[in-house]
Amino acid sequence: QLQLQESGPGLVKPSETLSLTCTVSGGSISGSTYYWGWIRQSPGKGLEWIGTISYSGNTYYNPSLESRVTMSVETSKNQLSLILSSVTVADMAVYYCARQDRCSDGGCVFYGMDLWGQGTTVTVSS
Amino acid sequence: QAVLTQPSSLSASPGASASLTCTLRSGVNVGTYRIYWYQQKPGSPPQYLLKYKSDSDKQQGSGVPSRFSGSKDASANAGILLISGLQSEDEADYYCMIWHNSAWVFGGGTKLTVL
Repeated sequence: QLQLQESGPGLVKPSETLSLTCTVSGGSISGSTYYWGWIRQSPGKGLEWIGTISYSGNTYYNPSLESRVTMSVETSKNQLSLILSSVTVADMAVYYCARQDRCSDGGCVFYGMDLWGQGTTVTVSS
Repeated sequence: QAVLTQPSSLSASPGASASLTCTLRSGVNVGTYRIYWYQQKPGSPPQYLLKYKSDSDKQQGSGVPSRFSGSKDASANAGILLISGLQSEDEADYYCMIWHNSAWVFGGGTKLTVL
């Protein structure tokens, strides 16, 4: 069955750029009806949606993070990537990637997350 | 005021039912939203339980038992996750979520204790 696995450096210095990868196995990203989201969870801010991307690269970002976020898809590797610039301690969290199905009605583009990766912990410290 | 408000904790006995509420901020009408529910156990990612907009627009997550169900209380402007026949394994954090103002928004979560 489909599985998602996040990876990346566990430690990032303040003001630097965080780069994470999500590897999808058990299915192909390209040509699917799915969208792919990034969510983070911290003790202080709870669960926070970062953004969502389609297999073709259409992106939807949380307005609160949009200025610092870049998401992309590498279909040849079946991977997603998340880049978050100018990190601060407020960006310390567990970062998850997740699958989101395409909406079947005209009222939305994609549904919520129905399958999550195990998450990767990011610490921001000098 | 947060868009979604959940009680921080709830306790219930095994075999009983638990009603978890997700109250939408005043001015955010529950009737127009599809509400998602997630269960999270310590050290694990959130697991999708179900989504509910109306009795004709709802979906159970894959493999999620039917004793988990969703509904709305329009008078309270709230979404409800009902868990019947509580089991010890239901002890977890539960989160609600909606799509609001072009962003997914989560509630703060309810810690359900089964004792």
